[in-house]
Amino acid sequence: GESVGLHLPTLSVQEGDNSIINCAYSNSASDYFIWYKQESGKGPQFIIDIRSNMDKRQGQRVTVLLNKTVKHLSLQIAATQPGDSAVYFCAEPGGGKLIFGQGTELSVKP
Amino acid sequence: DTEVTQTPKHLVMGMTNKKSLKCEQHMGHRAMYWYKQKAKKPPELMFVYSYEKLSINESVPSRFSPECPNSSLLNLHLHALQPEDSALYLCASSQGFSKTEAFFGQGTRLTVV
Repeated sequence: GESVGLHLPTLSVQEGDNSIINCAYSNSASDYFIWYKQESGKGPQFIIDIRSNMDKRQGQRVTVLLNKTVKHLSLQIAATQPGDSAVYFCAEPGGGKLIFGQGTELSVKP
Repeated sequence: DTEVTQTPKHLVMGMTNKKSLKCEQHMGHRAMYWYKQKAKKPPELMFVYSYEKLSINESVPSRFSPECPNSSLLNLHLHALQPEDSALYLCASSQGFSKTEAFFGQGTRLTVV
């Protein structure tokens, strides 16, 4: 079965607010995770990744947090904008495969 | 160049047709992938090529036939598809088999009628 999963299928936020998208994984040996953004009609786009030797990694307006104790990671988007509306997937590569979680659809209200 | 190019963008085919999807990357990546994605679902892995050899087939029906003519190209040959095969077909590539990010193309929207 899948080793990654998401808590919520949809998330609606007000423009300018911060968004938090969560992901849980089951394999304690997992050591690398990727967040992808998929806009309607497009392929998944790499946002940010994190390896297990880190607890936190920051990009432009995005931060990924990794809690290995509870096998949980989150993607935080600061000052959410309409262009952030998309489906967000956490994914874990391993064994030649890239396994995706179920995805969270983020809607940004103006 | 971090682009994976897929053609065509849209394809409508009958159940008796034969068609091919094409994918190209010029990043020097040695692993290439085909994924199938249904609406509101995550991408599902179909095939993985590593160094131009098929390394993973996720029990995909034989009406889907992958081909890797060289390190930059990946094809997916389609024959006798069913309406339930209608989906977004995504190609991706990565530096190798190990733990690095994969880059995705924009996909081919396939409709089987």
